[in-house]
Amino acid sequence: DADVTQTPRNRITKTGKRIMLECSQTKGHDRMYWYRQDPGLGLRLIYYSFDVKDINKGEISDGYSVSRQAQAKFSLSLESAIPNQTALYFCATSRSGTSGEQFFGPGTRLTVL
Amino acid sequence: AQKVTQAQTEISVVEKEDVTLDCVYETRDTTYYLFWYKQPPSGELVFLIRRNSFDEQNEISGRYSWNFQKSTSSFNFTITASQVVDSAVYFCALSAIGAAGNKLTFGGGTRVLVKP
Repeated sequence: DADVTQTPRNRITKTGKRIMLECSQTKGHDRMYWYRQDPGLGLRLIYYSFDVKDINKGEISDGYSVSRQAQAKFSLSLESAIPNQTALYFCATSRSGTSGEQFFGPGTRLTVL
Repeated sequence: AQKVTQAQTEISVVEKEDVTLDCVYETRDTTYYLFWYKQPPSGELVFLIRRNSFDEQNEISGRYSWNFQKSTSSFNFTITASQVVDSAVYFCALSAIGAAGNKLTFGGGTRVLVKP
């Protein structure tokens, strides 16, 4: 089945460490997104990419960077993790020219101590 | 800027009761999409429905129904005869249509607890 996968699913790290979260998709979609979920705040957009050479900041990009290595892969990096980046992170994909429905990965739970 | 408000943070009902989740949105776009997603305790996000701003018809799908009223910028969701499996967090979301489209703005979510 065409799918969106995220690795790792869970990660505990320490303040100041560099962390990379990876997202892969087999849906053939051109658009990919990273969101974080915090209790009571819903999901907030960190970065999005409409194709391999098009990367854009979202609502809360400070402290994060991304890399679109291929159409199917979109990685999120925390250069120097801090405790308030503890959250549930979701990757999503969509196809341009469609109604905008996004397909989400299973999420990565990140804890920064 | 777009904004989605789900004023109810948590709703608790007894099985078989109906439950209505409110969603109010703000956007300057004249055309847009509205969505509802479900997040069960396992954590994944499950797509439930998409509605475009051209279509104000209400929709029913099994025990789920949606009431879209453009005049009040609301897109409410009702679960009829709730079941324990409906226990989840439900998110309302909004996206523009067109070049800026596909970026979802989410509400804060409403946690629904259905007790047996």
